Amino acid sequence: EPEVTQTPSHQVTQMGQEVILRCVPISNHLYFYWYRQILGQKVEFLVSFYNNEISEKSEIFDDQFSVERPDGSNFTLKIRSTKLEDSAMYFCASHMDKAKNIQYFGAGTRLSVL
Amino acid sequence: AQSVTQPDIHITVSEGASLELRCNYSYGATPYLFWYVQSPGQGLQLLLKYFSGDTLVQGIKGFEAEFKRSQSSFNLRKPSVHWSDAAEYFCAVATGGTGGGNKLTFGTGTQLKVEL
Repeated sequence: EPEVTQTPSHQVTQMGQEVILRCVPISNHLYFYWYRQILGQKVEFLVSFYNNEISEKSEIFDDQFSVERPDGSNFTLKIRSTKLEDSAMYFCASHMDKAKNIQYFGAGTRLSVL
Repeated sequence: AQSVTQPDIHITVSEGASLELRCNYSYGATPYLFWYVQSPGQGLQLLLKYFSGDTLVQGIKGFEAEFKRSQSSFNLRKPSVHWSDAAEYFCAVATGGTGGGNKLTFGTGTQLKVEL
């Protein structure tokens, strides 16, 4: 069964550093998302991406965040200058059909900002 | 704005007992509703979904859920719980964005513990 893959599984960084979280969505999917889950809290939407542009973003997704689909397979989330409060599990998700919106999630990247 | 409420933070059941996890949603239009399960250190796995039609939907691992519009609820049930069902369960509603895609709004989750 095809799956969404995320790398790395765990990223440790110093406050103020840039990080890039990588995702390979399912190959024929068209809609891509990033969510995050701070430890012990619910999963929160960050951003959705379709047709090579952001279609919606949350209040969390400020100027420090950016997303990119640099080629036909990867979907990345960049945090320019990490803060302690960026420590969380970041999930990538994708789906093919807007009407049905069955989102498939990757296993996540745990980001630890020290 | 859309929201999802899972009133039970923790639930403990004995193996073999029945299970019901509660979910209430708030959304102006007809919702797309989902239940996801998250095992420790794992991603989110889709258990089942409701889009339209039959209000009782079947999912994987023997789970089912019933959509009740009058109560704005989408409760998850399983007739006989197995120890491997211990995990965190999230209810979610899909809400349309202004452009492409529909973001998911999640509840706070219910942690299920199964006693042997």
